[in-house]
Amino acid sequence: RKEVEQDPGPFNVPEGATVAFNCTYSNSASQSFFWYRQDCRKEPKLLMSVYSSGNEDGRFTAQLNRASQYISLLIRDSKLSDSATYLCVVNMGYQLIWGAGTKLIIKP
Amino acid sequence: DTGVSQDPRHKITKRGQNVTFRCDPISEHNRLYWYRQTLGQGPEFLTYFQNEAQLEKSRLLSDRFSAERPKGSFSTLEIQRTEQGDSAMYLCASSTGQLNTEAFFGQGTRLTVV
Repeated sequence: RKEVEQDPGPFNVPEGATVAFNCTYSNSASQSFFWYRQDCRKEPKLLMSVYSSGNEDGRFTAQLNRASQYISLLIRDSKLSDSATYLCVVNMGYQLIWGAGTKLIIKP
Repeated sequence: DTGVSQDPRHKITKRGQNVTFRCDPISEHNRLYWYRQTLGQGPEFLTYFQNEAQLEKSRLLSDRFSAERPKGSFSTLEIQRTEQGDSAMYLCASSTGQLNTEAFFGQGTRLTVV
């Protein structure tokens, strides 16, 4: 089992819809969590950190479920510009472990 | 620009040649990571430094790969006797290393081995 797993997608979603992805992690000692966004042939960029209490940034909501060992990302009112690959990252304290990413395609 | 910078952005080399990439992290960041990313995959960990000390190396890092961070600032990644399978994007990231802090990435060096 991979340490961090994501559904690779692609998720094809109409503009304006709500979409959610999960990311599961295997090590219960994982300390902190992040969502990154990566556009084609570009470097990953931080989208948001994931806090235990859940957090929201505009149309984006991130949640952490330690009991079930997953994090989630919800995007509301999706825009064409949200099309990208979304990578979850687990901080083990000594190393960052990356998922392979979920590809999202927003269609007009 | 005070972000992470990598040089070169692109490198095409013939199989068997040696290549060296450079990464300049954000100045106050003491932790520096190297990753390799191929199409459709997330970044694969190669190695990381805490200041000048190389604390961990992935088993992906064969003896043809070596990384240094001599003064705890910039880092170099060298690949000797390149193979076609080394073709990938090589990403460098830096962080403060503190809990709950994210990593910031450079734009990467895209290596093509022909």
